[in-house]
Amino acid sequence: GENVEQHPSTLSVQEGDSAVIKCTYSDSASNYFPWYKQELGKGPQLIIDIRSNVGEKKDQRIAVTLNKTAKHFSLHITETQPEDSAVYFCAGGRGDDKIIFGKGTRLHILP
Amino acid sequence: GAVVSQHPSRVICKSGTSVKIECRSLDFQATTMFWYRQFPKQSLMLMATSNEGSKATYEQGVEKDKFLINHASLTLSTLTVTSAHPEDSSFYICSAYGGYPSYEQYFGPGTRLTVT
Repeated sequence: GENVEQHPSTLSVQEGDSAVIKCTYSDSASNYFPWYKQELGKGPQLIIDIRSNVGEKKDQRIAVTLNKTAKHFSLHITETQPEDSAVYFCAGGRGDDKIIFGKGTRLHILP
Repeated sequence: GAVVSQHPSRVICKSGTSVKIECRSLDFQATTMFWYRQFPKQSLMLMATSNEGSKATYEQGVEKDKFLINHASLTLSTLTVTSAHPEDSSFYICSAYGGYPSYEQYFGPGTRLTVT
């Protein structure tokens, strides 16, 4: 089955700087890679996703890249703001089937 | 956007009792729903996949007789924790697969279960 590894587990970034979180996956059949933001006591919120037919996707300050050959994908947040502080999870799988979550990255935006 | 609700948001029950958690897709029909469990400061662990009108598929290590899942309609799935024990205390989250045109999974807000 799918196995998703996520790094780093904790990341502290100065406000205004960029943050990068990286994930790898094991199952070459996976074609859907969402990223979620989770705030304390709440369910995960989809912030961006990418499918295996594209290599990069951007939405304002957030971008995701996918390297199918190497089986890794990354989340990039630019111009970080205090409200970006949260736990971020990557996941991999197929959209209509189960998706497997990485262990999460706790992002701290420092003033 | 698509909305998934869970009820209750919080529940406290005594050890040995059963508790039911509902997951509803409010504005779309979901043929597939998923149930996750999340312990503090940990990731979401998939418990089971629920398809409308058929038996749920449980992940390895999840006791199907303890965590009863029913997906009786295209908008409702329920998770019943039977004979709950303190170690079942956790954050339970459901998601619903929206199908066309988004092909995304939409997550509920979660249910905090505390077993005393």
